[in-house]
This record gives sequence, structure tokens and C-alpha cells, in this order.
Amino acid sequence: DQQVKQNSPSLSVQEGRISILNCDYTNSMFDYFLWYKKYPAEGPTFLISISSIKDKNEDGRFTVFLNKSAKHLSLHIVPSQPGDSAVYFCAASALGGNTPLVFGKGTRLSVIA
Amino acid sequence: DSGVTQTPKHLITATGQRVTLRCSPRSGDLSVYWYQQSLDQGLQFLIQYYNGEERAKGNILERFSAQQFPDLHSELNLSSLELGDSALYFCASKPRDLNTEAFFGQGTRLTVV
Repeated sequence: DQQVKQNSPSLSVQEGRISILNCDYTNSMFDYFLWYKKYPAEGPTFLISISSIKDKNEDGRFTVFLNKSAKHLSLHIVPSQPGDSAVYFCAASALGGNTPLVFGKGTRLSVIA
Repeated sequence: DSGVTQTPKHLITATGQRVTLRCSPRSGDLSVYWYQQSLDQGLQFLIQYYNGEERAKGNILERFSAQQFPDLHSELNLSSLELGDSALYFCASKPRDLNTEAFFGQGTRLTVV
């Protein structure tokens, strides 16, 4: 049973526009959520995180929104740049970080110049 | 550079063989996690060690085992290898079980032929 779901395997966006990547989760015990970016032949790199006590966290061009009632989070990238083209993974953990990260299957973002 | 080192980067071996993957966590990180990424799949959690002790187990086959040594490096042993074990194996580390990000190594690509 997939506890973290990324239902869009791929997304294509024009350079300069907004990219919105979505993630749904089923485990109500999750209280910490993260987004990782992964380039080919590299390990995942941490991008941004949000605690369940917040509904928004911003870091430069990246903003993560959390809707606990809907068990949904999203990552907004504005403006999108060609270098943002990568696979983005949503991840979650529970109990104040005491459980391993559970990952979604990823969304491949292509930013077209 | 995440500070997490995995060796080897690539490994090709035959079915039925046994291999050992090695991970050196970031300096001072006590928690080590192992993940498997098969084709078109997300990262599947295998096992976690914390300061030398097994902390959590995920979808790890009985043919697989791991350990964490006093210097905190970890090894993942895969035996009786099958074609389906071909995958990317990632190691990640965190300082403690807190709501912080995990840092990933570049992975070991295992090909079983």
C-alpha cells in the first residue's frame, strides 16, 4: 500500500512559468514532509521541507504548501528554469522524525526553454 | 557533495553471487538508511541503523542483511542474487532521529546478469 503518492509521472513546463508538483499521502501520522530533487546518476538532493504545524514554507523560488485536511502537499517553482529539469520526489516521516522517510515514485519535470 | 560516500559506484555480478555495498555517512551522523530504487519505482526503504543498532526494517528480503560498525560506516550484504535485484541502492544519513533532512550518497548501481 503506497502511503505517499505522486500521481503525475511527468510534467512539462515552459521556462519562466510556474511548475506545480503534487503529492498525496494516506498516513495521518506523518508530521514532516520533504521534497527531493534527483538528477540522473546522482543521489537525491534535499530541496525543501515543511512541518505539519505549518501550511506553507518558502525558500527562494521554491514554496511547499501543506493541506492536512486533504492530506495533500504541493511544490511550486516560480519561475521555472531549465536547470530545474529533474525527477522530484515527495517524502514523509512520522513521530518527529523517528520513522524512516517514505517516498513517492517521483515526478519527472521538464522545463522547456 | 552530500558528504555521504558509497562504494562501489557500479557493480556487475552473476546470479547466485553475493555482494557487499559500503556506505560512509556524513561525519557525526548516527543514523544510516538503505534504500532501493528499481526501474520506474520510488525509493523503497530497506533498513535503518542508529549508532550501531538496527532501528527499523522495511521491505528487506531475507537474502539481504546489513550492519553498522563502531566507526558508523555501514554495509549492505546481498546474497543469492537474482536478476530482479538489479537496482540502484542508496545510503542516506541523518545526525539523529529528528525532523531534519536525510543526506543521500550517489548510490551503487547493481546489475545482476
